[in-house]
Amino acid sequence: HVQLVESGGGVVQPGGSLRLSCATSGFTFSSYGMHWVRQAPGKGLEWVAFIRSDGNNKYYTDSVKGRFTISRDISRNTLYLQMNSLRVEDTAVYYCAKDFSTWENYFDFWGQGTLVTVSP
Amino acid sequence: DIQMTQSPSTLSASVGDRVTITCRASQNINNWLAWYQQKPGKAPNLLIYEASTSESGVPSRFSGSGSGTEFTLTISSLQPDDFATYYCQQYHSYSLTFGGGTNVEMK
Repeated sequence: HVQLVESGGGVVQPGGSLRLSCATSGFTFSSYGMHWVRQAPGKGLEWVAFIRSDGNNKYYTDSVKGRFTISRDISRNTLYLQMNSLRVEDTAVYYCAKDFSTWENYFDFWGQGTLVTVSP
Repeated sequence: DIQMTQSPSTLSASVGDRVTITCRASQNINNWLAWYQQKPGKAPNLLIYEASTSESGVPSRFSGSGSGTEFTLTISSLQPDDFATYYCQQYHSYSLTFGGGTNVEMK
């Protein structure tokens, strides 16, 4: 069965960096697009970034462009999110989510989430 | 970006009630809309995609309808397991955007 397991969250000061990982299993990782979606404490869902199955197309929400980088390692079946120049407003639970297909842009499986706290 | 507006933000209902949640898009998104259910402390769960297609394994009491700019999620007979927050999401264009959520609570 499909499993997505995030790691790498923690507490960081504004301006700092973190790299999130999402280890996947139970499906052919190289055949599916992957996303990061976040949820600030007590708030709604916000899509963050997408990478196509072949890694050749990447999209970001405006607020993270130039600061966050999504990538994938097919050999490790792992998705990453490199987060630089972190801001207080980036504080959230970050979920990795599997695309329904190569590039449908809705999400049929989600990880359990990893909490990122940006605080002075 | 396309703005997604859900109503109501909170809905009080009883087991057995018919529940309808509305989602409006700020521009035409055809039928590129999904619905998710989220319970406290858990990840969201896909219910509906392409506005009206049920994801495998989703109970038949959940249904979606609409196209263009107005969409609805209906729960035909609310069950105890359905008390949760529901989100719509458009995937017509980037940035992908969610509605603000509807919390279905026990009356």
